[in-house]
Amino acid sequence: GAVVSQHPSWVICKSGTSVKIECRSLDFQATTMFWYRQFPKQSLMLMATSNEGSKATYEQGVEKDKFLINHASLTLSTLTVTSAHPEDSSFYICSARDSRRNTEAFFGQGTRLTVV
Amino acid sequence: SQQGEEDPQALSIQEGENATMNCSYKTSINNLQWYRQNSGRGLVHLILIRSNEREKHSGRLRVTLDTSKKSSSLLITASRAADTASYFCATDASNTGKLIFGQGTTLQVKP
Repeated sequence: GAVVSQHPSWVICKSGTSVKIECRSLDFQATTMFWYRQFPKQSLMLMATSNEGSKATYEQGVEKDKFLINHASLTLSTLTVTSAHPEDSSFYICSARDSRRNTEAFFGQGTRLTVV
Repeated sequence: SQQGEEDPQALSIQEGENATMNCSYKTSINNLQWYRQNSGRGLVHLILIRSNEREKHSGRLRVTLDTSKKSSSLLITASRAADTASYFCATDASNTGKLIFGQGTTLQVKP
């Protein structure tokens, strides 16, 4: 089955630093990937749609300058949390859908970010 | 933004019993999906039902979709302790893979 790999699975960083999270589709091409955030005991909230070769589309209330998204190839999207603060601590998870097939989107394993 | 509501928010049952979770949504959809998430872990895709389908089965799972009521239900039959997890419905309005999640139901199955 289709696999989406997300790295790292967890990261601890100091307040004020930036953290990059990678999302790769391993055996299919994805012109579109999605980034979600999940706070403890809450549901997943869509943050943005990552579009290969063009700018990401951000959901209302998500700061595009804080959450930088780059989708430079058909198999890789990155989310960079810039100048991270403790309130950015969350579970970040990406998904990707095979551009050529009408199937469900596949999710990465998620990244647990803790900002101290 | 959240698409809709799930109920109950929490459900506790004995092993062997059936568990039913409901999901309501607000806008028209292309498909609706159900996911399971164990505590602190990633998502496991359970089942996808398209807007022109009314019912779907997969093993011990049964999903129904009523587009006139904008609601779906997930039934887990003969539950097991290993079914303990959070369950989320998610709607895809445009068949692009962009999902809007419900608030989730936390299921506890007691052995």
